[in-house]
Amino acid sequence: SQQGEEDPQALSIQEGENATMNCSYKTSINNLQWYRQNSGRGLVHLILIRSNEREKHSGRLRVTLDTSKKSSSLLITASRAADTASYFCATDGKGAQKLVFGQGTRLTINP
Amino acid sequence: EAQVTQNPRYLITVTGKKLTVTCSQNMNHEYMSWYRQDPGLGLRQIYYSMNVEVTDKGDVPEGYKVSRKEKRNFPLILESPSPNQTSLYFCASRRDRGDGYTFGSGTRLTVV
Repeated sequence: SQQGEEDPQALSIQEGENATMNCSYKTSINNLQWYRQNSGRGLVHLILIRSNEREKHSGRLRVTLDTSKKSSSLLITASRAADTASYFCATDGKGAQKLVFGQGTRLTINP
Repeated sequence: EAQVTQNPRYLITVTGKKLTVTCSQNMNHEYMSWYRQDPGLGLRQIYYSMNVEVTDKGDVPEGYKVSRKEKRNFPLILESPSPNQTSLYFCASRRDRGDGYTFGSGTRLTVV
């Protein structure tokens, strides 16, 4: 079952702008993770935020987590053409032995 | 280099011809998992393994088998492939629960 729902499904912005993607989920989690996938290739782990954390940074990435609203956001600042990819949130549920992925946001950075 | 290696990258086969997709990781990870990715359905877990000789079904296990005889290897076996198993398959591993996964590059399987 798909737990993570991402919004928007597609996002197109100009290089240098910031990109924000949102993820909502349904059940209690241990952590929430964000992955990037270039077309047809393997997923690359970007960042993990635990359920007791509210915000995390890694380079140009900023992730927030609101467990009361069961939602997370990924902000990519100062976007580059190389950021063009699909971005997925994945939840690591309590008691579960798997990540449940959202449908993803397709991000296009226009030069 | 720490990685998950899948083979083959591309495979076209005929209905009913048994095949194996290999997966190997060099990070001494406990957890390994297989996912399939389909348009409109996203990534769905097929099987996972928490350690050697410990495997369990994911969300879509029908038509697949796995084994975990060694820590590093987690092959996916399709005993009698059918066209609805045409998909992009990913193997992934992680050190333990609470970590992110390292994914392989994927295997694009077409069953005709």
